[in-house]
Amino acid sequence: AQSVTQLGSHVSVSEGALVLLRCNYSSSVPPYLFWYVQYPNQGLQLLLKYTTGATLVKGINGFEAEFKKSETSFHLTKPSAHMSDAAEYFCAVSPLINNNDMRFGAGTRLTVKP
Amino acid sequence: DAGITQSPRHKVTETGTPVTLRCHQTENHRYMYWYRQDPGHGLRLIHYSYGVKDTDKGEVSDGYSVSRSKTEDFLLTLESATSSQTSVYFCAISEPQGKEDTQYFGPGTRLTVL
Repeated sequence: AQSVTQLGSHVSVSEGALVLLRCNYSSSVPPYLFWYVQYPNQGLQLLLKYTTGATLVKGINGFEAEFKKSETSFHLTKPSAHMSDAAEYFCAVSPLINNNDMRFGAGTRLTVKP
Repeated sequence: DAGITQSPRHKVTETGTPVTLRCHQTENHRYMYWYRQDPGHGLRLIHYSYGVKDTDKGEVSDGYSVSRSKTEDFLLTLESATSSQTSVYFCAISEPQGKEDTQYFGPGTRLTVL
């Protein structure tokens, strides 16, 4: 089965600083990889996803992630943090075809300081 | 935003009582999912449905049952609620198209079992 490890349950950055949220996965088959964001008292919103093709994936709100097969990683980055980026971020992995076994990481809470 | 509603949004109940949560979609998506979200665990799949009257178990299905009599509605039932089922429950929907199978999430239901 697939699994996801998100390094760091809490990350704090200053406004304007680089955001780096780490995600490593384990999968026996080529994976689908996702990043979701959750704002307080809301559901999860898809930020970006990797299926096949280009390994650098661009998402909404200026976020991007790079699939590195050799490192089994899918880290999320944003060059310049904004106060509105404060939220919880979840990395998820799914087998290529069957999305009924999607596994989520435990989440990383991002705080943005003024 | 995907047309997904969940009801109720908040519920407090007592141990041993039955509870039913409802997920309603207006997207006519074939797949529907129930997840629970707990601190330190991210989201874990409880049950999913791949069509009317077609359901299957997820990672943490014990103590839960589901039903889907219409495309738009997916019900999650706790036959006899326990304190360990205190959680936030999310419904998700998807419509696989080739290799594309992104899940879209509802706003969640916060359930407290006393």
